[in-house]
Amino acid sequence: DTEVTQTPKHLVMGMTNKKSLKCEQHMGHRAMYWYKQKAKKPPELMFVYSYEKLSINESVPSRFSPECPNSSLLNLHLHALQPEDSALYLCASSLSGSGGPLSSYNSPLHFGNGTRLTVT
Amino acid sequence: DQQVKQNSPSLSVQEGRISILNCDYTNSMFDYFLWYKKYPAEGPTFLISISSIKDKNEDGRFTVFLNKSAKHLSLHIVPSQPGDSAVYFCAASADTDKLIFGTGTRLQVFP
Repeated sequence: DTEVTQTPKHLVMGMTNKKSLKCEQHMGHRAMYWYKQKAKKPPELMFVYSYEKLSINESVPSRFSPECPNSSLLNLHLHALQPEDSALYLCASSLSGSGGPLSSYNSPLHFGNGTRLTVT
Repeated sequence: DQQVKQNSPSLSVQEGRISILNCDYTNSMFDYFLWYKKYPAEGPTFLISISSIKDKNEDGRFTVFLNKSAKHLSLHIVPSQPGDSAVYFCAASADTDKLIFGTGTRLQVFP
């Protein structure tokens, strides 16, 4: 069982829809991440929240909007997506993040099982 | 520009033998390296990591070797088991929140 929970597991949406992906962890981790993975490609970083503040945005189009309501939750709001946005969206968390007391401590990312998104 | 590369897209090894997966990187600022295993329809699972101050880290059947001068790391799995069949990703970071993944190697362990 993964300690990072993502919902839904699968999502099909039209290009005019608005939907949200949700991620939750209760490991006390202070950094949370969104990655996107296309078939036969490595995961690509989209956003990082460190201590509930957005620390990295990898020039992601504005049709993707992240939100971190608290240290345990991470959302990704989707609006007006394109068919090429279809992919596996992975959430991850790690114990430490930049800007905090443990920022010099390297810790591995723990991933959820992802949301398989199809845009029609 | 792929900063982390795994030049072997696939590897086939007999059960009980050693599996060696390789990874090369270009950014000399990388100081933390990890290996992940991924099964279909699941997220990547953390296996083992190594800091740039070390050249070897061992955890059970898994050992990671780091050669900083060559900008190369490898993962050794011994003995290999059929359950090890998966896609393996190496990843690296440079003292930031940004983890860069390699292109992946599909390992198949056959009886």
